[in-house]
Amino acid sequence: AQKITQTQPGMFVQEKEAVTLDCTYDTSDQSYGLFWYKQPSSGEMIFLIYQGSYDEQNATEGRYSLNFQKARKSANLVISASQLGDSAMYFCAMREGGGAQKLVFGQGTRLTINP
Amino acid sequence: ETGVTQTPRHLVMGMTNKKSLKCEQHLGHNAMYWYKQSAKKPLELMFVYSLEERVENNSVPSRFSPECPNSSHLFLHLHTLQPEDSALYLCASSQRWTVEDYGYTFGSGTRLTVV
Repeated sequence: AQKITQTQPGMFVQEKEAVTLDCTYDTSDQSYGLFWYKQPSSGEMIFLIYQGSYDEQNATEGRYSLNFQKARKSANLVISASQLGDSAMYFCAMREGGGAQKLVFGQGTRLTINP
Repeated sequence: ETGVTQTPRHLVMGMTNKKSLKCEQHLGHNAMYWYKQSAKKPLELMFVYSLEERVENNSVPSRFSPECPNSSHLFLHLHTLQPEDSALYLCASSQRWTVEDYGYTFGSGTRLTVV
């Protein structure tokens, strides 16, 4: 069964608008972590934001915020005031509890910012 | 140098060739990972090394052979590959057994084409 689901293969947004990228997850662990990564065309995976399962407040990092709804098992990424440089693939990932610290990734969403 | 460095960035090889991908991390991390990223598929975890010991092998064909001589270096030896092995191969590192907010640090990847 898919552990991380990103239902939006592609998104097109006008520059300066806010955008929400969806992510739902499936786990039976009580302790887990949720991550968002950005992958530009160069290929490198760039860490954006992290949310721990026990964190009561939504994580924020500059223009990025994570809308964490634990009961619904969703961890949507919100990018405020989008910029042309935000055009990239975005991946949601989950690290389940335990020492292995494996990250499981979703299929990704390709975000295109239009001028 | 800092971060995670992968070489080469691009590699074209025939099905009968033998080549190696190299990954080096300068972050003092104690775990390293190989991921495969094919078109339109989620990132697939191939191997996990922790303290230079292989702790996971996700049913990867034997034509892929990893090597971790020390905590800073990780190799992926390739031989008699198939065209379907063409993909972006990403290396990552992390600090295992700690509550880490940043997940993995990724390299820029090696774009492999098998002809």
